[in-house]
Amino acid sequence: DVKVTQSSRYLVKRTGEKVFLECVQDMDHENMFWYRQDPGLGLRLIYFSYDVKMKEKGDIPEGYSVSREKKERFSLILESASTNQTSMYLCASSPPASQPGGYTFGSGTRLTVV
Amino acid sequence: DQQVKQNSPSLSVQEGRISILNCDYTNSMFDYFLWYKKYPAEGPTFLISISSIKDKNEDGRFTVFLNKSAKHLSLHIVPSQPGDSAVYFCASLNTGTASKLTFGTGTRLQVTL
Repeated sequence: DVKVTQSSRYLVKRTGEKVFLECVQDMDHENMFWYRQDPGLGLRLIYFSYDVKMKEKGDIPEGYSVSREKKERFSLILESASTNQTSMYLCASSPPASQPGGYTFGSGTRLTVV
Repeated sequence: DQQVKQNSPSLSVQEGRISILNCDYTNSMFDYFLWYKKYPAEGPTFLISISSIKDKNEDGRFTVFLNKSAKHLSLHIVPSQPGDSAVYFCASLNTGTASKLTFGTGTRLQVTL
């Protein structure tokens, strides 16, 4: 069974901390994505990656960076956490040129910044 | 600018009746539209899709309709069941190397007994 695993289900961090959210997939997918989900705003794309060491900005990249050193792992980094980054973060992966249904999501990390 | 919009944040339907969830879009340059279902504390799961060249796609209790002139799509669930209670997201997809999903804002469906 294909899997996308996010390392933490719940995180509480302080304002100004550097935060790492980790995502690992076991499907040998080329594409990986980071979204955040907020009430009334849906899922918004932060960053995505089409290959190792490749990254592209999504719709809301400000305040975030990413790292993809290995194909199976895609990390989201909050350089200096702020309260407006309190959210549910969702990682996904897909094959290249994916058809509908080809995306697999992790269970999410609920981050609270205090 | 939200390219995919769901104007109803919530919907309540009785068990056994039809649920209709709606979605509007602004950009016609998509290959597929999709519906995802999401339970709390879980990732979204794929439900059904429709190609941009089709008008209707059906899968069991779920049917998606696409009205290209109105730039509108809808998801019909018949009959609705309590287990259908979840947040539903519509999404657009361009296939190709640069493929990525663009999601709407979501509609929370509650199916009551």
